[in-house]
Amino acid sequence: DSGVTQTPKHLITATGQRVTLRCSPRSGDLSVYWYQQSLDQGLQFLIQYYNGEERAKGNILERFSAQQFPDLHSELNLSSLELGDSALYFCASSVTDRGLGNTIYFGEGSWLTVV
Amino acid sequence: AQSVSQHNHHVILSEAASLELGCNYSYGGTVNLFWYVQYPGQHLQLLLKYFSGDPLVKGIKGFEAEFIKSKFSFNLRKPSVQWSDTAEYFCAVNDSWGKLQFGAGTQVVVTP
Repeated sequence: DSGVTQTPKHLITATGQRVTLRCSPRSGDLSVYWYQQSLDQGLQFLIQYYNGEERAKGNILERFSAQQFPDLHSELNLSSLELGDSALYFCASSVTDRGLGNTIYFGEGSWLTVV
Repeated sequence: AQSVSQHNHHVILSEAASLELGCNYSYGGTVNLFWYVQYPGQHLQLLLKYFSGDPLVKGIKGFEAEFIKSKFSFNLRKPSVQWSDTAEYFCAVNDSWGKLQFGAGTQVVVTP
């Protein structure tokens, strides 16, 4: 158990809908990352937050957004869902926002299936 | 932009065989290197990491990796695999900006 908690674990929804994935980082971690894992794209970095502020953006679609709240939990919002958005979405956390000397721990992921 | 290459996409081997998975990265600056493992249906778990110091690092479950700076490589090894090592293995690089870049992964199947 990494200490990173994600909900829901599984989600099935229809195209065009909107879902919210939630993540609680490890105790003491200020940085939260979101990754998408799909068969064709592999593991793709989406976005990073540190202490409530956006730090880095990766291959995140405009239909997707995220935020980190004062209690440090984070939510990833996926809207106007398409079949291709079906994937495993990982949240990860680390103590700092610095890269070097920083270990990132992953949650169990949220399986999203769009039908 | 930095990239991470894993040489093998699929590896099949028998129990007790030795395993070596290749990983090369392209980045000119200081990097931290990681190997993560994903067992079937599970999340990513950290196997080992290299920040600095001894380039031969030992991780959990009997795995080790060697950082060769001149070759931009960080290969993962295990002298004798078990059936329970069947999993997907990801090499990852973290630079000063904090973004963890993953390789495409290597699916390892260990047959009894």
